[in-house]
Amino acid sequence: LAKTTQPISMDSYEGQEVNITCSHNNIATNDYITWYQQFPSQGPRFIIQGYKTKVTNEVASLFIPADRKSSTLSLPRVSLSDTAVYYCLVGDTNAGKSTFGDGTTLTVKP
Amino acid sequence: EAGVVQSPRYKIIEKKQPVAFWCNPISGHNTLYWYRQNLGQGPELLIRYENEEAVDDSQLPKDRFSAERLKGVDSTLKIQPAELGDSAVYLCASSLGGTGRQETQYFGPGTRLLVL
Repeated sequence: LAKTTQPISMDSYEGQEVNITCSHNNIATNDYITWYQQFPSQGPRFIIQGYKTKVTNEVASLFIPADRKSSTLSLPRVSLSDTAVYYCLVGDTNAGKSTFGDGTTLTVKP
Repeated sequence: EAGVVQSPRYKIIEKKQPVAFWCNPISGHNTLYWYRQNLGQGPELLIRYENEEAVDDSQLPKDRFSAERLKGVDSTLKIQPAELGDSAVYLCASSLGGTGRQETQYFGPGTRLLVL
């Protein structure tokens, strides 16, 4: 299983763009990269998934360089409600073979 | 569409007692996961089901933990006997299954277990 490394915590202010980078040096050819968000007392919630280059949806963008050894989750114009733990997962095509790390705690300040 | 349902939400028991958690996945989701999440850590997979078959239970402590998904829909996770170190949040998740790629997992709110 590909091991992921993320910063333990990050601070930001409302309205700023936040970029959280995840390292996954031993990513395999069939692995996808998925990000989840978790609020206190809730289960994780899917944010975005990608395989290469750039993926964008209504809440975030995911940037993946050509070597795929890292990925960056970009949250545009964060608000206080974006304060949460963000997890990067890397896994193969067999669903469930990915492992959650300890995530990045993002704190958005007013 | 209803999400993943778990019960109870909270459970307090004394050590050596049994405890059971129930999960009802999203309708039509064939894959079901049980995770354990300790405070300040990410979820740790305990067992994954494809329909009624447990396809990955390598991280399930089988001496005290058991799980079942008899009809391929809802599932029960049991601990007997519980130990102090079992205090954690137990999360259930489900996904469509059979897509051949890393699937989006939909999580329930979890059951917070406290063993005294």
